[in-house]
Amino acid sequence: RKEVEQDPGPFNVPEGATVAFNCTYSNSASQSFFWYRQDCRKEPKLLMSVYSSGNEDGRFTAQLNRASQYISLLIRDSKLSDSATYLCVVRTYKYIFGTGTRLKVLA
Amino acid sequence: NAGVTQTPKFQVLKTGQSMTLQCAQDMNHEYMSWYRQDPGMGLRLIHYSVGAGITDQGEVPNGYNVSRSTTEDFPLRLLSAAPSQTSVYFCASTGGGNQPQHFGDGTRLSIL
Repeated sequence: RKEVEQDPGPFNVPEGATVAFNCTYSNSASQSFFWYRQDCRKEPKLLMSVYSSGNEDGRFTAQLNRASQYISLLIRDSKLSDSATYLCVVRTYKYIFGTGTRLKVLA
Repeated sequence: NAGVTQTPKFQVLKTGQSMTLQCAQDMNHEYMSWYRQDPGMGLRLIHYSVGAGITDQGEVPNGYNVSRSTTEDFPLRLLSAAPSQTSVYFCASTGGGNQPQHFGDGTRLSIL
């Protein structure tokens, strides 16, 4: 079993839609969690850290469920510019990436 | 603001050649790592370092060597390039703890 798993998608959604991604992790000792965005195999860029209490940044909401060992990302009011691959990252003593979920927002 | 700098940005090698990918950061970060990304796949950890003089293997270390003689630099060496090592290579650094990683622009490596 992979340490970090994501549904690869693609998720094709219309503009204005709400979309959610999940990411599961296998190591219960994982300490930090992040969501990154990647465009066309450029370098990943931090979207947001994920905190135990959940956190929001504009249209983006991230949540952590330690009991079930997953993190989630919710995007509200999707924009065309949100089209990208979303990568989750889990840290124990090293940072491990999921394979990414592709999102395409359609006009 | 330099951040994480990777050189070269592009490289073409022949099978069997060796080369070093350079990574330098100016943020005084203790933790640095190297990833490779193949088409349609996520980033896979090759090697990482938690500080000068300390390195460890990631998920896919075979065929690669690293060293960390200074806090700033973390070079990745391909000992004998193989076509299977054709990939995009990313270097990242972080101050550790709960801090996220910062990435370089990547090195696009083709091995013929």
